[in-house]
Amino acid sequence: SSELTQDPAVSVALGQTVRITCQGDSLRSYYASWYQQKPGQAPVLVIYGKNNRPSGIPDRFSGSSSGNTASLTITGAQAEDEADYYCNSRDSSGNHRMNYVFGTGTKVTVL
Amino acid sequence: QVQLQESGPGLVKPSETLSLTCAVSGYSISSGYYWGWIRQPPGKGLEWIGSIYHSGSTYYNPSLKSRVTISVDTSKNQFSLKLSSVTAADTAVYYCARHGDWGLLNYFDYWGQGTLVTVSS
Repeated sequence: SSELTQDPAVSVALGQTVRITCQGDSLRSYYASWYQQKPGQAPVLVIYGKNNRPSGIPDRFSGSSSGNTASLTITGAQAEDEADYYCNSRDSSGNHRMNYVFGTGTKVTVL
Repeated sequence: QVQLQESGPGLVKPSETLSLTCAVSGYSISSGYYWGWIRQPPGKGLEWIGSIYHSGSTYYNPSLKSRVTISVDTSKNQFSLKLSSVTAADTAVYYCARHGDWGLLNYFDYWGQGTLVTVSS
């Protein structure tokens, strides 16, 4: 199966902008979705598709994609955005009817 | 509001079968969407285990396919996971989730709170 690679950790000053990237061959064929996970909690969907936010997700979260890279941008990071972030997409490798892969995860620290 | 709740034993012995159930409220499984299981070993990332459509069609992670069975009970509005021949490597928090798949677009939009399953004798 294909892999989705993320930087292990990034930091951002309060109120500044941070971009989290996700690289993988499957992203040339499928949109990424992004999940925020705080310690001891279930993941929460924050971005899906081209750049869609579920109800209740602040508009400081946005998504983009180019080639084999998808990005999640937090514009004006808040203390409550400190969390692990995972990307996800359908796997484009092999001939599996349906297979999904998650990224390796990025820990975001808000300074 | 769609809600999912996992239930099942928190401790399973090596070589035995892990069994979990996910009860869904606020949405009828028969109405559509896929229903999946994802796990997360302590301190590690997320891994998709498999999913089932309301019709009963199943899709499994190739790396786990030989040990996984997912079933659905639309009358109880719940779906279940069985993972056989477990080892310590199967120790993880197991999540159930609703997910949509429309070709290029897919996402897991509602998740259960997760349940920790430890494999140990």
